[in-house]
This record gives sequence, structure tokens and C-alpha cells, in this order.
Amino acid sequence: SQQGEEDPQALSIQEGENATMNCSYKTSINNLQWYRQNSGRGLVHLILIRSNEREKHSGRLRVTLDTSKKSSSLLITASRAADTASYFCATVFNDYKLSFGAGTTVTVRA
Amino acid sequence: GAVVSQHPSRVICKSGTSVKIECRSLDFQATTMFWYRQFPKQSLMLMATSNEGSKATYEQGVEKDKFLINHASLTLSTLTVTSAHPEDSSFYICSAPRLAGGRYNEQFFGPGTRLTVL
Repeated sequence: SQQGEEDPQALSIQEGENATMNCSYKTSINNLQWYRQNSGRGLVHLILIRSNEREKHSGRLRVTLDTSKKSSSLLITASRAADTASYFCATVFNDYKLSFGAGTTVTVRA
Repeated sequence: GAVVSQHPSRVICKSGTSVKIECRSLDFQATTMFWYRQFPKQSLMLMATSNEGSKATYEQGVEKDKFLINHASLTLSTLTVTSAHPEDSSFYICSAPRLAGGRYNEQFFGPGTRLTVL
């Protein structure tokens, strides 16, 4: 069952701007992951942050995790048109099952 | 990175027919695979966990006789939508986790299969 809530549901920004989206979850987790999905395609794994980590970077991506607030954020810096996609957070408890958030649709305007 | 393939990518069928979707891990063995369904503009909903050599486990509300899963080998899981109806039209995605050094690493997703039932 889904346990993640994401906000905003949709985000429209100008190329070069930063995009921030948030994810909240309800139960304890083992790790939290962020995925990107281009329209009508499969998911691409972006970054995984474990429950004992607070921040992680990968290229233009920065993910934070606050287990006390049960929330995570994904920051995309210097956005590009190619970043236009839907972004999902997914939590993992004690097995490999992913529980996905509702997703944030990001549109980057050229 | 690891690759998971799905076949077919698109399928259109008549109501009442059965459709089989294949999910393959191309460069790693997957004792477990997952099947998701995604309706337009919605998130992925886990349908079932496919276990190599044993029965699949289904999430609440998913009919196991409707969605037959077979995990015949360490690299192949199949999902058969039996007696498909228009409400089964959806985007079906599989995934497979890959361990690295005994630790959970990441899941690799197939490109998805678009099923349209007329």
C-alpha cells in the first residue's frame, strides 16, 4: 500500500532554476529512494538514502532525509528541459518491497 | 547498470482474452521480482511479489486467479492477465532488486507494458 505523500503534485519552473519536492511517509523505513519516470516509460533509479544517512548528493541531485519528521526532499539544481518528468519517492521497510508516493510532475520550461 | 526488459512493450487485445507479459533480468539473477500497475497520472501500485521456485504473494485486493504469476527461472517472471476486461487496461511494470555485497542495493525497473483491452 502507498504510504508516501509528495508535494507539490506539480511544479513548473524555468530552465536553470532549482526544483524542490518533498516526500512524507508514515512508518519506519530501512531506506528511501527517489525515481524518475518520463511519460509512458519505466522508472529510473536516481538515488537511495539509508535510514542512518541525512543527506546525499549525486550530480545535480541532493536528497535529505529526516527520520524524526518522516520526510525527505529532493532538490534538482540548475534544471534542464530534460529534467521534465514525474518524480517518485519510495520507501522500503524490511524487505525489498517499495511503497511509492503519489509523485511530483516537474515541467522545466526552456 | 543492470537491465530489466519487458515484452511486449504494447499489447492490444479483445475483452475475454488472456495476455502474457514477460519480465527478464538480463545481467543478474533475481530470485524476487515485483509487478506493479500504474493508471494514467497515478503512482505505481504493487500487485504481487514473484518468487523463484515458489508461489507469488499478492497484495490485498489483487485477484491471484486473475493475474497469474510464474517465476520459472532466476531471470524470468511472467504475468498473465486472464480473461482481460477494459478495466484491466493499464501500464504494467516489473522490477527486480539486486544485492551488492549482501546489502540491499537498488531495484531495476523494466520499461513497462501498455495493455489496452478493447
